[in-house]
This record gives sequence, C-alpha cells and structure tokens, in this order.
Amino acid sequence: AQTVTQSQPEMSVQEAETVTLSCTYDTSENNYYLFWYKQPPSRQMILVIRQEAYKQQNATENRFSVNFQKAAKSFSLKISDSQLGDTAMYFCASTEVSNYKLTFGKGTLLTVNP
Amino acid sequence: GAGVSQSPSNKVTEKGKDVELRCDPISGHTALYWYRQSLGQGLEFLIYFQGNSAPDKSGLPSDRFSAERTGGSVSTLTIQRTQQEDSAVYLCASSLAGGDWSEQFFGPGTRLTVL
Repeated sequence: AQTVTQSQPEMSVQEAETVTLSCTYDTSENNYYLFWYKQPPSRQMILVIRQEAYKQQNATENRFSVNFQKAAKSFSLKISDSQLGDTAMYFCASTEVSNYKLTFGKGTLLTVNP
Repeated sequence: GAGVSQSPSNKVTEKGKDVELRCDPISGHTALYWYRQSLGQGLEFLIYFQGNSAPDKSGLPSDRFSAERTGGSVSTLTIQRTQQEDSAVYLCASSLAGGDWSEQFFGPGTRLTVL
C-alpha cells in the first residue's frame, strides 16, 4: 500500500518570494507517478505538476518545480515568484503504475500574503 | 468543452435518509473515479469505473455505499441510511483511460452534510 505524508499543515509566503512544500511517500513498487494538486476555495482540484518515477530529471511547469529524491522517497514542490492566486490547499499524491488510484497526503494550506 | 460537473453542489440531509450524488464526466473519458474528502480522513479513493469492466469498489467504506455508471457516462453515488460520519465533500474525476496513468480531471465536488 502507498502512503503519502505532508508534514506542514500550513505555510505562508510573501508575494514574489519562493516557497517549498514538503512531501514524503512510501511504496513497494519501482514504477509510480507523483503529483502535486492545488485546491483553491472553489474546491476544484487542479493538477499542478507530475513526475514519473523512472525519470531522473525533475519536472518543471513555469513557476512550479519539484525536487524528486527517489532514494529518500521525497518529492517537494517549489513555487517561485509566488502570486496571490497561488493561495490554496496543496496536495501531494501518488499512484503506482499497476494501480490507478490516487493516494493523497493530508495537504498543506499555503497562504500568499501581499 | 465542459469539465467534470457534479450535482448537487451542496446537500443537507437527515440521518437515516438516502442520498444520490451525480457526476457527469468529460465527454469521451472512459475512466471515472469517486473520492471522498473529509476533515478526519483527508482524501480517500472510493470507486473506479473503466469502460465496461467491473468497477473497482475496494474503497467503499461500507455496504451502505454504492455507485453505478450508466451508458459509460453519467455516474451516481448512492449512500443509504446516511450517518453523520458520511459528512464530507464527494469528488468525482474522469480521465481518458484507466490503468496506465492519464490525468484525472476533477469536478467541483458535492458537499454532503448529515444532520
């Protein structure tokens, strides 16, 4: 069974600064996917970025990038040039290639302050 | 094209009543998922449909929960004899294909409150 742990229930950052959200996971499989989802107050879950475990290169999507440390089973999200619209709940999630179900962490509430 | 839609947006019911939650996936998406988001348990997988295959019901918390998907499109999640611990946001997601991963697109959810 997969587990995903987010140890930071809440974080805050000043607008235009950089913030890193932490995530660790556990899985018995060698091939899997990792994700960061954003959930604003509207409740709509939006995919921010994903990483295939077999790829060593860290994924990037504009201001969002990850630091994927496979041996340490760590998958942190870095948000650069934070914007007010980044205020949301962020969930780390995983799915094994043999299993389509998303396993989510408890989430980190990020507040971007003006 | 429209995204995943869910109805109702909010539902308040009394303990012991049955409720039905509806999900309209993105047209052409063959895979459909239900998740539950509650304060105590976080986000949990409930059930998965893929085409005409038998659904994966392994996440349903009790036999009071059931779901169906008619015509490979719309899905209904039914909770019988609701309990207060069923209060949560129920999220539906769809994707182009199941098995090998493809992005799951989520609906806005139905917030269920059981009094």
